Amino acid sequence: GAGVSQSPSNKVTEKGKDVELRCDPISGHTALYWYRQSLGQGLEFLIYFQGNSAPDKSGLPSDRFSAERTGGSVSTLTIQRTQQEDSAVYLCASSPRGLAGKETQYFGPGTRLLVL
Amino acid sequence: QKEVEQNSGPLSVPEGAIASLNCTYSDRGSQSFFWYRQYSGKSPELIMFIYSNGDKEDGRFTAQLNKASQYVSLLIRDSQPSDSATYLCAVPFRAGGTSYGKLTFGQGTILTVHP
Repeated sequence: GAGVSQSPSNKVTEKGKDVELRCDPISGHTALYWYRQSLGQGLEFLIYFQGNSAPDKSGLPSDRFSAERTGGSVSTLTIQRTQQEDSAVYLCASSPRGLAGKETQYFGPGTRLLVL
Repeated sequence: QKEVEQNSGPLSVPEGAIASLNCTYSDRGSQSFFWYRQYSGKSPELIMFIYSNGDKEDGRFTAQLNKASQYVSLLIRDSQPSDSATYLCAVPFRAGGTSYGKLTFGQGTILTVHP
């Protein structure tokens, strides 16, 4: 596709339920990033996939959060047993090769998650 | 001290004026810096990337980098109402002297350009 796509665009769930958020990066991009943006806050790094390397999970806030990337393309971020503080916009980005500090990251439209 | 700091604003300037947005960073070894623009309800989009000391110009936008003072600024000349947005400064995360692809973002500065 022309850009990074994410689905769903909006998700409302009840506290305690699991949710899955999907990201389709730009075709051919080897690096994929997940960030979270809470209301009035800056972007917070969550997890980073680079090619076939082990993902950098250092930003995941708890073990309720996990992510995978299948076939080096589509990524799914899963939040188990959602809590109200998980409410935020979840943004996915991709870049061509993941060259540290030298590439533009292209962001998707985000998934707005609301946990009731 | 936060790794990347910005004045959250809001910064209000009249149409046609120069808007000046500032960002300071804590890691003296940082090499490259990104400015993203984010319209309300939209995702961030890159507007400037700078890695050399001095100025980099692109149309109405100028990024200024001063590594000795550890700040990077963004100037918007001839500001237009369509420039009203949140401007995010970002720096690649570094650890052990190595830079990584993940970005550390500032909180963003809200800019309002009024007619």
